Amino acid sequence: RKEVEQDPGPFNVPEGATVAFNCTYSNSASQSFFWYRQDCRKEPKLLMSVYSSGNEDGRFTAQLNRASQYISLLIRDSKLSDSATYLCAVAANAGGTSYGKLTFGQGTILTVHP
Amino acid sequence: DVKVTQSSRYLVKRTGEKVFLECVQDMDHENMFWYRQDPGLGLRLIYFSYDVKMKEKGDIPEGYSVSREKKERFSLILESASTNQTSMYLCASRRTGSGYTFGSGTRLTVV
Repeated sequence: RKEVEQDPGPFNVPEGATVAFNCTYSNSASQSFFWYRQDCRKEPKLLMSVYSSGNEDGRFTAQLNRASQYISLLIRDSKLSDSATYLCAVAANAGGTSYGKLTFGQGTILTVHP
Repeated sequence: DVKVTQSSRYLVKRTGEKVFLECVQDMDHENMFWYRQDPGLGLRLIYFSYDVKMKEKGDIPEGYSVSREKKERFSLILESASTNQTSMYLCASRRTGSGYTFGSGTRLTVV
């Protein structure tokens, strides 16, 4: 079983739609969680961190479910410019030997069409 | 903003060449990382470093080595390039507890 798993999609949604991605992780000691966005042929860029209580940034909402070991990303009112690959990333406790290294999911491809 | 700079966007090297990929960050981050990204395989960690002269193997270190002589610079070395090392190479740096900042990547082709 992979450490971090995502549904690769692709997700094709119309503008204005709400879309949700899930990401499961296998290491119960994981402490830090992130969502990244990657445009075609570009580097990943941090979209948002995921906090235990859930957090929101404009149209984007991230949730963490430690009991079931998954994180989610919800995008409301999708825009054409949201088309990208969304990567989840998980870090084990930085106090151990991992030194904060992130393990990434394979990414979920989102295409928003007019 | 943290800046992570990779020295080359595109490189073409011959099989058997020794290849150096350079990465510099300007925010005094302790941790630096080298990943490669391939279609269908995602981002895979090659090596990382948590301090000057310290290094740890990632998930796929075979065929690679690294050097961190100064805190801001982390170099990836392909000792003898092979065609299966054709890939996008991404460097990242991180302060513990925060997310990564990636460089813009080096697309390496080994012919």
